Amino acid sequence: GAGVSQSPSNKVTEKGKDVELRCDPISGHTALYWYRQSLGQGLEFLIYFQGNSAPDKSGLPSDRFSAERTGGSVSTLTIQRTQQEDSAVYLCASSSQGAPENGYTFGSGTRLTVV
Amino acid sequence: LAKTTQPISMDSYEGQEVNITCSHNNIATNDYITWYQQFPSQGPRFIIQGYKTKVTNEVASLFIPADRKSSTLSLPRVSLSDTAVYYCLVVRYNQGGKLIFGQGTELSVKP
Repeated sequence: GAGVSQSPSNKVTEKGKDVELRCDPISGHTALYWYRQSLGQGLEFLIYFQGNSAPDKSGLPSDRFSAERTGGSVSTLTIQRTQQEDSAVYLCASSSQGAPENGYTFGSGTRLTVV
Repeated sequence: LAKTTQPISMDSYEGQEVNITCSHNNIATNDYITWYQQFPSQGPRFIIQGYKTKVTNEVASLFIPADRKSSTLSLPRVSLSDTAVYYCLVVRYNQGGKLIFGQGTELSVKP
């Protein structure tokens, strides 16, 4: 596609439920990144994919968070047993390999609200 | 990765040139300097990137001195629509290329 697509754009869930957030990167982009941005906070790195592999998962805040990528394309971020502190905007970015001339392209994010 | 330091906020008026300076004293040989812009309720948008000297594109210029310990983003003739948060980042692409965002500079452009 023309840009990075994330779905849903908004998600309200009850505490304790599981949620899945989806990211469709730009076609042909091998690198994919997940970030989150809490209200009033900065952007926090979560996980990085190169192809289907995740060489850097260092930003995942707990074992309730997991992500996968299939076919070198779509990625899903799963949060199990959601807590109120998980409320944030979850952003996905993709890029071509190496030092991309035009940087990373971010999606518009999924706003997650845990009630 | 080198930590970046930039002003928390800046004010400007329409039509003025705005320069935002960022320090990254511990930048390493393989690191690039990149700037992103973020509007409320949107993901960050790439503005410009450089390794050394000066880079110019259709929206901004990036000045990097020889020691690379700082960089200056220059926005010519800003308009109200340039009101946003601007992030300076140091990126090491040969080690995954993850972006570590600081607090950014909140630029407010007034009429």
